[in-house]
Formats: sequence, C-alpha cells, structure tokens
Amino acid sequence: GAVVSQHPSWVICKSGTSVKIECRSLDFQATTMFWYRQFPKQSLMLMATSNEGSKATYEQGVEKDKFLINHASLTLSTLTVTSAHPEDSSFYICSAREWTSGSSQYFGPGTRLTVL
Amino acid sequence: EDQVTQSPEALRLQEGESSSLNCSYTVSGLRGLFWYRQDPGKGPEFLFTLYSAGEEKEKERLKATLTKKESFLHITAPKPEDSATYLCAARRAAGNKLTFGGGTRVLVKP
Repeated sequence: GAVVSQHPSWVICKSGTSVKIECRSLDFQATTMFWYRQFPKQSLMLMATSNEGSKATYEQGVEKDKFLINHASLTLSTLTVTSAHPEDSSFYICSAREWTSGSSQYFGPGTRLTVL
Repeated sequence: EDQVTQSPEALRLQEGESSSLNCSYTVSGLRGLFWYRQDPGKGPEFLFTLYSAGEEKEKERLKATLTKKESFLHITAPKPEDSATYLCAARRAAGNKLTFGGGTRVLVKP
C-alpha cells in the first residue's frame, strides 16, 4: 500500500517558538494533502486541505496565520505551527490522496507536539 | 451537513467472539466510504474503500459491507492483535473532505 511519512514523530518546544512538521508521500504522487489534529480519545479534526502549488484551504476556526501550510511538491507538504502555545499541544496527522488510484487516502504516523 | 456516526463507542470481545461495528452516514452523493484502523499514538491505517451499496471487501478477519445508509465492519474470530480503534469516514461527491465518525474502540481479550 501507499506510504506516507512524517517527521519528526514527536517534538517538545518552548512556548513562543515555531515548529515545522514535514509530510512526505514516499511511493506515490499526492495531488492533495490534508492536515488533521487529534485530541486524546477523539476522532480526527481536519485543519486544512492543500493542493500542490496552491494555497491551502483552511477549515472554519483554524487560524491560517498560526498554522502555515506549504505544499511545494507532489510528495512534500509542511505544517508550521508559529508562536506555539501550550494549547497547541496535540497529535498532528497528515494525509495524502493519490489521484491515480481513485479516491483512497493514506495517513502518516502522526507527530506528537508538546509545548511547554 | 454531512454526518457519520459509529456504534458502539467501545466493544470488548473474547478472542474468537465475532462481532460487527456499525457506521451510519448522511452524506450528499457518497463518493466513498472508508474504514481505517488506528492504534494508540499512531496514524490511521487504511483498510477498505467502498463505493456503492452492495459492495463488500475482505481482508483477513475483517469484512466491510455497504448499504445506502450504513456500513458494517465484521470481525470474524478476532484475535488480541485486532484490538484497536476502528474509524469510518465518508466522502461526498463534491470535494475532497472526509467526514469521520467518532470511532469504535475494540478490545479483544485472550
């Protein structure tokens, strides 16, 4: 099956710093990538959708200036959490859709962010 | 508004005790019903995509079925390694967005 990787798998940072998370589709080209946030024992919450070479589309209530998304190539998307605060601590998961195989969507392993 | 509801929220099974998980959906123009398995601290692992009512797919002890209003994930003779949270999600015809259900936490005891 298609593989999506994320880096780092976990990160601890101080309040006020910025953190960048990378998401890569390893064996397919992803025309569309998604970023989700998941709180403990809850389901996934979509933050934004990005198409390669275009600006990301953010879900209602998600601050675009705080969560910067770049989808520079068909295999790489990045999420930057700017000026992170403790309330941004969460599990962030990226996902990629391989257009050629229909509508299947694959998820990365997630990144655990802890802001002190 | 699209809605996906999973039941039960949690399920405790003895090893070998078959059961079914339910996913009810209200989505305009369904363009795929997805099942994922998620282990604690990990991202969802893709299991199945179903596109039309009557479709069935199988993988080892798992079998997914789809009707016009709901999908079922049948777990036959489960083993402890089948313990996980199972998520279903639906995509409408217009757009990319998946709408997720709340998940069913399955615990299989030896």
